[in-house]
Amino acid sequence: DAMVIQNPRYQVTQFGKPVTLSCSQTLNHNVMYWYQQKSSQAPKLLFHYYDKDFNNEADTPDNFQSRRPNTSFCFLDIRSPGLGDAAMYLCATSRDQGDRAGNEQFFGPGTRLTVL
Amino acid sequence: QKEVEQNSGPLSVPEGAIASLNCTYSDRVSQSFFWYRQYSGKSPELIMSIYSNGDKEDGRFTAQLNKASQYVSLLIRDSQPSDSATYLCAVISFGNEKLTFGTGTRLTIIP
Repeated sequence: DAMVIQNPRYQVTQFGKPVTLSCSQTLNHNVMYWYQQKSSQAPKLLFHYYDKDFNNEADTPDNFQSRRPNTSFCFLDIRSPGLGDAAMYLCATSRDQGDRAGNEQFFGPGTRLTVL
Repeated sequence: QKEVEQNSGPLSVPEGAIASLNCTYSDRVSQSFFWYRQYSGKSPELIMSIYSNGDKEDGRFTAQLNKASQYVSLLIRDSQPSDSATYLCAVISFGNEKLTFGTGTRLTIIP
């Protein structure tokens, strides 16, 4: 089945220790997104790639970086995690090709990040 | 500021009844509307998309869109305990591939 995969599902890191979260997709979608979701809050968009074009949200801290080496994979790097970065990190994809149905975003299972 | 607003709940509905979830949005050029279901500790799951005024039905789910009133709703017929979750309303504006989410409505189906 075509899907969005995130690894690891759970990540524990220490304060200030860099961490990388991974997302892969078999949907062949051209747009990939990274969201941060904290308890009882809506997902917050950090950045997204439209093909190879990187789009950063204005309020995304510099501590968060992303890489998309190819269509299928996208990574979220947190350079120096703080206690406030503990959250669920969600990867999503869409196949934006100019039609409205292409706006549908499909989420991976998420990575739960704990910062000690 | 583009906003999507939902009643946070919790909304409690008896099993077998109709659950009605509501969402309003502020950006008049919004053109795509989505309902996501999110179980506790899980990721959002797309359950309905609607783009035109009127109703769209899919099984026990009906999405209703009224662009003049800037209002979108989700009806769940014959509610089941497995429908207990948080329901997120999300909106995309014209020329924008980014979703704006509401804060979600927590729905509990009472057996």
